[in-house]
Amino acid sequence: AQRVTQPEKLLSVFKGAPVELKCNYSYSGSPELFWYVQYSRQRLQLLLRHISRESIKGFTADLNKGETSFHLKKPFAQEEDSAMYYCALSGRAGGYNKLIFGAGTRLAVHP
Amino acid sequence: DTAVSQTPKYLVTQMGNDKSIKCEQNLGHDTMYWYKQDSKKFLKIMFSYNNKELIINETVPNRFSPKSPDKAHLNLHINSLELGDSAVYFCASSLGQPNTEAFFGQGTRLTVV
Repeated sequence: AQRVTQPEKLLSVFKGAPVELKCNYSYSGSPELFWYVQYSRQRLQLLLRHISRESIKGFTADLNKGETSFHLKKPFAQEEDSAMYYCALSGRAGGYNKLIFGAGTRLAVHP
Repeated sequence: DTAVSQTPKYLVTQMGNDKSIKCEQNLGHDTMYWYKQDSKKFLKIMFSYNNKELIINETVPNRFSPKSPDKAHLNLHINSLELGDSAVYFCASSLGQPNTEAFFGQGTRLTVV
């Protein structure tokens, strides 16, 4: 079964501090993993995907298959990073694609 | 042009009523989803359609009935609304391949009183 776990409901940091939002997954096949972000009063949008191995807005995430993790990191948090962050896993179920999300972590960056 | 649009944005209704939420995407995607976001912001998949066919139904009560008249539309009809149905409902679409991005609507905030 597919499952995504985000253990922290809230992560509160000061501006300039490093940030790590944790994500662990469970999936029997080869997973496709994403981070989505929801800023206040905006729709959910893709932040980054593991297959691209890119840095977006200073955020990076590395897939660790041994630890089944896909943690999101940023070395220096900014106030505009405050938002809800969702880790997502896309996998095959019954021949079709299924996209599921973790419970989400609220990141609050204080001045 | 908005890629994925939902109507209405807000919906306040009494217990026991029947209501519908509409979703349309103009991206040419073949897969559409409905998600429920509860008061704790937990985002849970409800349904997924591929080319008008239901492919995922995540143990959602029978009072919820999705309908897809064509692959650009996925509507959600809810019968006999209950207080616990209050949430934000998100529609999304994608190409249906594992490594492709899902695009979300702005959400419909349903309040049952």
